[in-house]
Amino acid sequence: DIQMTQSPSFLSASVGDRVTITCRASQRIDKYLNWYQQKPGKAPKLLIYGASTLQSGVPLRISGGGSGTDFTLTISTLQSDDFATYYCQESFSTSHTFGQGTTVEIQ
Amino acid sequence: QVTLKESGPVLVKPTETLTLTCTVSGFSLSNTKMGVSWIRQPPGKALEWLAHIFSNDEKSYSTSLKNRLTISKDTSRSQVVLRMTNMGPVDTATYYCARTYFFGAGSHAPSNFDYWGQGTPVTVSS
Repeated sequence: DIQMTQSPSFLSASVGDRVTITCRASQRIDKYLNWYQQKPGKAPKLLIYGASTLQSGVPLRISGGGSGTDFTLTISTLQSDDFATYYCQESFSTSHTFGQGTTVEIQ
Repeated sequence: QVTLKESGPVLVKPTETLTLTCTVSGFSLSNTKMGVSWIRQPPGKALEWLAHIFSNDEKSYSTSLKNRLTISKDTSRSQVVLRMTNMGPVDTATYYCARTYFFGAGSHAPSNFDYWGQGTPVTVSS
Protein backbone atom coordinates (compact mmCIF):
# COMPACT_ATOMS: atom_id res chain seq x y z
CA ASP A 1 0.00 0.00 0.00
CA ILE A 2 1.02 3.61 -0.56
CA GLN A 3 2.04 5.41 2.63
CA MET A 4 1.19 9.10 3.10
CA THR A 5 3.28 11.08 5.57
CA GLN A 6 2.31 14.58 6.66
CA SER A 7 4.51 17.12 8.37
CA PRO A 8 4.33 18.62 10.82
CA SER A 9 1.84 16.66 12.93
CA PHE A 10 1.08 19.77 14.99
CA LEU A 11 1.44 23.39 14.10
CA SER A 12 0.93 26.37 16.37
CA ALA A 13 0.17 29.62 14.56
CA SER A 14 -1.54 32.98 14.89
CA VAL A 15 -4.29 34.66 12.90
CA GLY A 16 -2.68 36.30 9.88
CA ASP A 17 0.18 33.81 9.61
CA ARG A 18 1.12 31.99 6.41
CA VAL A 19 0.97 28.24 7.01
CA THR A 20 2.26 25.36 4.87
CA ILE A 21 1.60 21.66 5.44
CA THR A 22 3.53 19.00 3.57
CA CYS A 23 2.38 15.57 2.44
CA ARG A 24 4.76 12.97 1.01
CA ALA A 25 3.74 9.78 -0.77
CA SER A 26 5.83 6.61 -0.60
CA GLN A 27 5.62 6.29 -4.38
CA ARG A 28 4.75 8.56 -7.27
CA ILE A 29 1.05 9.39 -7.44
CA ASP A 30 1.06 12.02 -10.20
CA LYS A 31 -1.53 14.58 -9.02
CA TYR A 32 -3.91 12.07 -7.41
CA LEU A 33 -3.90 13.98 -4.11
CA ASN A 34 -6.76 15.50 -2.13
CA TRP A 35 -6.83 17.65 1.00
CA TYR A 36 -9.54 17.72 3.69
CA GLN A 37 -10.24 19.87 6.71
CA GLN A 38 -11.82 18.42 9.83
CA LYS A 39 -13.10 20.23 12.89
CA PRO A 40 -13.81 18.46 16.20
CA GLY A 41 -16.95 16.36 16.11
CA LYS A 42 -17.53 17.05 12.43
CA ALA A 43 -17.08 15.14 9.20
CA PRO A 44 -14.12 16.04 7.00
CA LYS A 45 -14.63 18.66 4.31
CA LEU A 46 -13.00 18.48 0.89
CA LEU A 47 -10.74 21.48 0.27
CA ILE A 48 -8.56 20.61 -2.71
CA TYR A 49 -8.57 17.81 -5.27
CA GLY A 50 -6.17 16.87 -8.02
CA ALA A 51 -3.39 18.40 -5.91
CA SER A 52 -4.26 21.99 -6.77
CA THR A 53 -7.94 22.45 -7.72
CA LEU A 54 -9.97 24.32 -5.14
CA GLN A 55 -13.32 22.74 -4.28
CA SER A 56 -16.28 25.04 -4.84
CA GLY A 57 -16.87 27.38 -1.92
CA VAL A 58 -13.40 27.04 -0.42
CA PRO A 59 -11.75 30.41 0.21
CA LEU A 60 -8.97 31.55 -2.11
CA ARG A 61 -6.50 31.93 0.75
CA ILE A 62 -6.18 28.12 0.60
CA SER A 63 -4.06 26.59 -2.15
CA GLY A 64 -2.43 23.30 -3.00
CA GLY A 65 0.57 22.29 -5.04
CA GLY A 66 2.94 19.53 -5.96
CA SER A 67 2.99 16.35 -8.01
CA GLY A 68 4.74 13.01 -7.97
CA THR A 69 5.57 12.37 -4.31
CA ASP A 70 5.65 15.80 -2.63
CA PHE A 71 2.64 18.02 -2.05
CA THR A 72 1.78 21.14 -0.07
CA LEU A 73 -1.30 22.80 1.38
CA THR A 74 -0.85 26.51 2.03
CA ILE A 75 -3.08 28.94 3.87
CA SER A 76 -1.86 32.39 2.90
CA THR A 77 -3.42 34.35 5.76
CA LEU A 78 -4.66 32.18 8.60
CA GLN A 79 -8.16 32.98 9.83
CA SER A 80 -9.87 31.82 13.00
CA ASP A 81 -12.03 29.45 10.94
CA ASP A 82 -8.88 27.64 9.74
CA PHE A 83 -7.91 26.16 13.10
CA ALA A 84 -8.60 22.49 12.46
CA THR A 85 -6.98 19.21 11.46
CA TYR A 86 -5.95 18.72 7.84
CA TYR A 87 -5.58 15.39 6.03
CA CYS A 88 -4.09 14.53 2.68
CA GLN A 89 -5.42 11.49 0.80
CA GLU A 90 -4.21 9.71 -2.33
CA SER A 91 -6.61 8.45 -4.98
CA PHE A 92 -3.89 6.84 -7.12
CA SER A 93 -4.40 3.40 -5.61
CA THR A 94 -7.50 1.48 -4.62
CA SER A 95 -6.50 1.90 -0.96
CA HIS A 96 -7.27 5.66 -0.90
CA THR A 97 -4.74 6.13 1.91
CA PHE A 98 -4.98 9.14 4.23
CA GLY A 99 -2.11 10.89 5.92
CA GLN A 100 -1.94 10.91 9.70
CA GLY A 101 -3.22 14.49 9.91
CA THR A 102 -1.84 17.93 10.81
CA THR A 103 -3.51 19.88 13.59
CA VAL A 104 -3.30 23.65 13.32
CA GLU A 105 -3.67 25.17 16.76
CA ILE A 106 -3.96 28.73 17.98
CA GLN A 107 -0.63 30.04 19.29
CA GLN B 1 -28.91 18.78 -2.45
CA VAL B 2 -26.59 15.85 -1.83
CA THR B 3 -26.85 14.18 1.57
CA LEU B 4 -25.62 10.95 3.09
CA LYS B 5 -26.74 9.55 6.42
CA GLU B 6 -25.31 6.62 8.31
CA SER B 7 -27.35 4.39 10.56
CA GLY B 8 -26.57 1.36 12.67
CA PRO B 9 -25.93 0.17 16.21
CA VAL B 10 -24.05 2.36 18.65
CA LEU B 11 -22.78 -0.61 20.64
CA VAL B 12 -21.68 -4.04 19.47
CA LYS B 13 -20.14 -6.89 21.41
CA PRO B 14 -16.77 -8.43 20.61
CA THR B 15 -16.95 -11.09 17.86
CA GLU B 16 -20.28 -9.75 16.60
CA THR B 17 -20.91 -8.54 13.07
CA LEU B 18 -21.47 -4.83 12.52
CA THR B 19 -23.99 -3.77 9.88
CA LEU B 20 -24.11 -0.12 8.85
CA THR B 21 -26.42 1.51 6.30
CA CYS B 22 -25.73 4.66 4.32
CA THR B 23 -28.84 6.29 2.84
CA VAL B 24 -28.09 8.81 0.13
CA SER B 25 -30.13 11.49 -1.58
CA GLY B 26 -29.49 14.07 -4.26
CA PHE B 27 -27.64 11.64 -6.53
CA SER B 28 -28.13 8.16 -7.95
CA LEU B 29 -26.04 5.12 -7.06
CA SER B 30 -26.17 4.24 -10.77
CA ASN B 31 -24.33 7.42 -11.81
CA THR B 32 -21.10 6.26 -13.46
CA LYS B 33 -19.08 9.19 -12.10
CA MET B 34 -19.99 8.40 -8.51
CA GLY B 35 -19.71 5.72 -5.90
CA VAL B 36 -19.85 5.43 -2.12
CA SER B 37 -17.02 4.72 0.30
CA TRP B 38 -16.93 3.86 3.98
CA ILE B 39 -14.26 5.53 6.08
CA ARG B 40 -13.69 5.27 9.82
CA GLN B 41 -11.91 7.26 12.49
CA PRO B 42 -10.98 5.85 15.91
CA PRO B 43 -11.20 8.40 18.73
CA GLY B 44 -8.35 10.91 18.42
CA LYS B 45 -6.86 9.14 15.43
CA ALA B 46 -6.61 9.52 11.68
CA LEU B 47 -9.08 8.61 8.96
CA GLU B 48 -8.96 5.11 7.52
CA TRP B 49 -10.61 4.16 4.22
CA LEU B 50 -12.46 0.84 4.42
CA ALA B 51 -14.37 0.01 1.27
CA HIS B 52 -15.90 1.40 -1.91
CA ILE B 53 -18.67 0.37 -4.25
CA PHE B 54 -18.92 1.58 -7.83
CA SER B 55 -22.01 2.26 -9.90
CA ASN B 56 -21.48 -1.03 -11.77
CA ASP B 57 -21.41 -2.89 -8.43
CA GLU B 58 -17.63 -3.38 -8.57
CA LYS B 59 -16.17 -3.32 -5.07
CA SER B 60 -12.81 -2.58 -3.49
CA TYR B 61 -11.64 -3.14 0.06
CA SER B 62 -8.91 -2.11 2.45
CA THR B 63 -6.03 -4.54 2.10
CA SER B 64 -5.77 -5.06 5.85
CA LEU B 65 -9.51 -5.56 6.44
CA LYS B 66 -10.75 -7.17 3.25
CA ASN B 67 -11.33 -10.55 4.89
CA ARG B 68 -13.81 -8.97 7.31
CA LEU B 69 -15.67 -6.51 5.08
CA THR B 70 -18.58 -6.78 2.69
CA ILE B 71 -20.08 -3.79 0.90
CA SER B 72 -23.29 -3.89 -1.10
CA LYS B 73 -25.87 -1.51 -2.47
CA ASP B 74 -29.56 -1.29 -3.23
CA THR B 75 -29.86 1.32 -5.94
CA SER B 76 -33.64 1.44 -5.81
CA ARG B 77 -33.53 2.27 -2.11
CA SER B 78 -30.47 4.56 -2.45
CA GLN B 79 -28.67 2.59 0.24
CA VAL B 80 -25.19 1.21 0.69
CA VAL B 81 -24.56 -1.39 3.38
CA LEU B 82 -21.26 -2.25 5.04
CA ARG B 83 -20.79 -5.42 7.06
CA MET B 84 -17.75 -5.99 9.23
CA THR B 85 -17.34 -9.34 10.93
CA ASN B 86 -15.57 -10.34 14.14
CA MET B 87 -15.65 -6.88 15.71
CA GLY B 88 -13.10 -6.10 18.40
CA PRO B 89 -12.30 -3.15 20.69
CA VAL B 90 -9.85 -1.75 18.11
CA ASP B 91 -12.80 -1.28 15.75
CA THR B 92 -14.33 1.34 18.05
CA ALA B 93 -14.61 4.40 15.85
CA THR B 94 -16.86 6.88 14.11
CA TYR B 95 -17.88 5.39 10.78
CA TYR B 96 -18.54 7.70 7.85
CA CYS B 97 -19.95 7.10 4.43
CA ALA B 98 -18.87 9.48 1.70
CA ARG B 99 -19.63 10.02 -1.95
CA THR B 100 -16.73 9.14 -4.19
CA TYR B 101 -16.67 11.48 -7.16
CA PHE B 102 -14.57 10.61 -10.21
CA PHE B 103 -13.52 13.95 -11.60
CA GLY B 104 -11.28 12.69 -14.35
CA ALA B 105 -11.74 10.49 -17.37
CA GLY B 106 -10.61 6.99 -18.22
CA SER B 107 -10.22 3.73 -16.36
CA HIS B 108 -7.84 5.25 -13.78
CA ALA B 109 -9.78 8.43 -13.13
CA PRO B 110 -8.83 10.38 -10.04
CA SER B 111 -11.46 10.69 -7.36
CA ASN B 112 -12.29 12.54 -4.19
CA PHE B 113 -14.73 12.26 -1.30
CA ASP B 114 -16.81 15.35 -1.92
CA TYR B 115 -19.79 14.77 0.35
CA TRP B 116 -19.77 13.04 3.73
CA GLY B 117 -22.36 11.83 6.16
CA GLN B 118 -22.31 13.13 9.71
CA GLY B 119 -20.77 9.89 10.94
CA THR B 120 -22.08 7.27 13.32
CA PRO B 121 -20.15 6.28 16.47
CA VAL B 122 -19.67 2.58 17.12
CA THR B 123 -18.29 1.21 20.37
CA VAL B 124 -17.17 -2.39 20.71
CA SER B 125 -17.52 -3.59 24.26
CA SER B 126 -18.98 -6.49 26.18
